[in-house]
Amino acid sequence: SQQGEEDPQALSIQEGENATMNCSYKTSINNLQWYRQNSGRGLVHLILIRSNEREKHSGRLRVTLDTSKKSSSLLITASRAADTASYFCATDARDDYKLSFGAGTTVTVRA
Amino acid sequence: EAGVAQSPRYKIIEKRQSVAFWCNPISGHATLYWYQQILGQGPKLLIQFQNNGVVDDSQLPKDRFSAERLKGVDSTLKIQPAKLEDSAVYLCASSLTSAEAFFGQGTRLTVV
Repeated sequence: SQQGEEDPQALSIQEGENATMNCSYKTSINNLQWYRQNSGRGLVHLILIRSNEREKHSGRLRVTLDTSKKSSSLLITASRAADTASYFCATDARDDYKLSFGAGTTVTVRA
Repeated sequence: EAGVAQSPRYKIIEKRQSVAFWCNPISGHATLYWYQQILGQGPKLLIQFQNNGVVDDSQLPKDRFSAERLKGVDSTLKIQPAKLEDSAVYLCASSLTSAEAFFGQGTRLTVV
């Protein structure tokens, strides 16, 4: 079974708008990571947030982590057509260091 | 810096045949992962190695799948015999412990 679950499953926005997606997980973690996957390509790491961090920024990306709710969010600001992709959260479990992925959110940015 | 190398990129086999995938991780990365990604789904962890020891293989169908990591570097994943439902992209990744994972381009397997 998947450790993380993303919400929503799919998101369609206009270029320039912000995109927000959420991830919930089940067990205690060392860190939570977000990845992007363009159609037919490999996964690319976007950002890692450690369990003792609450917020992290990288360019147009903002990630939050709430360990009490076992949830995280990824915000992409001022979206571009090139942001069209699937986004996955992955959790590094504290007890066994397994890196487990959720089912992903498919984001479509319309020009 | 060289990335994670996987081969082959594509493979088509008939059901009940066997197939092997190869992965060369980034130099110095102790952790190596094999994932199966079925179209439209997230990557499913099949096996995770720490050096040449197995961290987790709870989702590896051991009656038909096997994996090894010789000398804690390269790894091979084998399926024997293949079933139609094994059609997927097989992704290899490597990382330093509890750090970002770097993925290869994957092997797209089609079982007919």
